[in-house]
Amino acid sequence: GENVEQHPSTLSVQEGDSAVIKCTYSDSASNYFPWYKQELGKRPQLIIDIRSNVGEKKDQRIAVTLNKTAKHFSLHITETQPEDSAVYFCAVQGGSEKLVFGKGTKLTVNP
Amino acid sequence: NAGVMQNPRHLVRRRGQEARLRCSPMKGHSHVYWYRQLPEEGLKFMVYLQKENIIDESGMPKERFSAEFPKEGPSILRIQQVVRGDSAAYFCASSPLRRSYNEQFFGPGTRLTVL
Repeated sequence: GENVEQHPSTLSVQEGDSAVIKCTYSDSASNYFPWYKQELGKRPQLIIDIRSNVGEKKDQRIAVTLNKTAKHFSLHITETQPEDSAVYFCAVQGGSEKLVFGKGTKLTVNP
Repeated sequence: NAGVMQNPRHLVRRRGQEARLRCSPMKGHSHVYWYRQLPEEGLKFMVYLQKENIIDESGMPKERFSAEFPKEGPSILRIQQVVRGDSAAYFCASSPLRRSYNEQFFGPGTRLTVL
């Protein structure tokens, strides 16, 4: 089955710096790659996603890049703010409808 | 437009009791997914349902766990004879029509504690 690796598991940055989180996956048939943000005790919230026919997508301070050949995709957050502090999960969807999640990255933005 | 609803938000059960978790999808969504999240871990897929059909239950433990999504009413995840290891947050997600990719929107979760 699909295997998703996410790195780093924790990331600490200064306010205003950029943060990058990377994920790799195993199933080359995977075609949908969402990113979720989860604050403590809250639900995972979809923040950005990318389909397999696109290499990059940007939404204000958030961007995602996808390299299908290498089977990895990354989340980029620029000009980080303290409210960006949360756990971020990558996920992969392939032929079946289910999402396979990475183990998460705890991002801390220090004021 | 209400989002995905789950209840109860918190559930405490003693070992051996039954737990029933309910999920109402977003309006217009006909697909429901259940995921389990252990403390400090990612979400693990359990089961995918459409109305009156289980489509994929590959992530569901073979014993004690069952799920349904009846024609009327919410989807139910049922855990019989709960054990301490069942303590986790259970999230349901919903998505609209089936297509090559499905945005899934999550409910607030039910936090199950087994004493």
